Amino acid sequence: ETGVTQSPTHLIKTRGQQVTLRCSSQSGHNTVSWYQQALGQGPQFIFQYYREEENGRGNFPPRFSGLQFPNYSSELNVNALELDDSALYLCASSESGRGETQYFGPGTRLLVL
Amino acid sequence: KQEVTQIPAALSVPEGENLVLNCSFTDSAIYNLQWFRQDPGKGLTSLLLIQSSQREQTSGRLNASLDKSSGRSTLYIAASQPGDSATYLCAVKRAGSYQLTFGKGTKLSVIP
Repeated sequence: ETGVTQSPTHLIKTRGQQVTLRCSSQSGHNTVSWYQQALGQGPQFIFQYYREEENGRGNFPPRFSGLQFPNYSSELNVNALELDDSALYLCASSESGRGETQYFGPGTRLLVL
Repeated sequence: KQEVTQIPAALSVPEGENLVLNCSFTDSAIYNLQWFRQDPGKGLTSLLLIQSSQREQTSGRLNASLDKSSGRSTLYIAASQPGDSATYLCAVKRAGSYQLTFGKGTKLSVIP
């Protein structure tokens, strides 16, 4: 059974650029959630996708957007990058998103200069 | 708005000691509570999940308890080892919500 994978592992961008992060969910999981973790903080919920539809969103601006594909992999897109977007971006998958254990990937470290 | 607090922020103990990590939350209408471990610069590893109807869960040397009415959970680690050194995060899922709300974590150092 393959766990949650994310790519790339590290990324450096400049302010104003756009970035796409990718996540492959664990086999059998149809729900993907994205979290942002700033240094020294707990992860903050960005949004969740269930069967290709966004079904929950945290307190993040519209320049944070996402997609989920038929194979349940997912992308997180961030437009007009700001310095404060520098963080570890974590993807988590679960069987249905309702309340069972969420399994996290290793994360993508984004640095915005 | 749900807020999750973890005390202490950091803890250093000698190897072999038993220890308790604390987590408190402001809204008792939770669906479940989950404890995670995070190694530096890495993702989260799920340790234990307690449903709102449960009082505790155990896995090996770990035991997590939940007192929903008082808004508290504890993670008990028995016979600590240097390999237990990591940041421990608790997260709650509110009933009817999709998101996990995390605390800032407790950074544990187990000294050989």
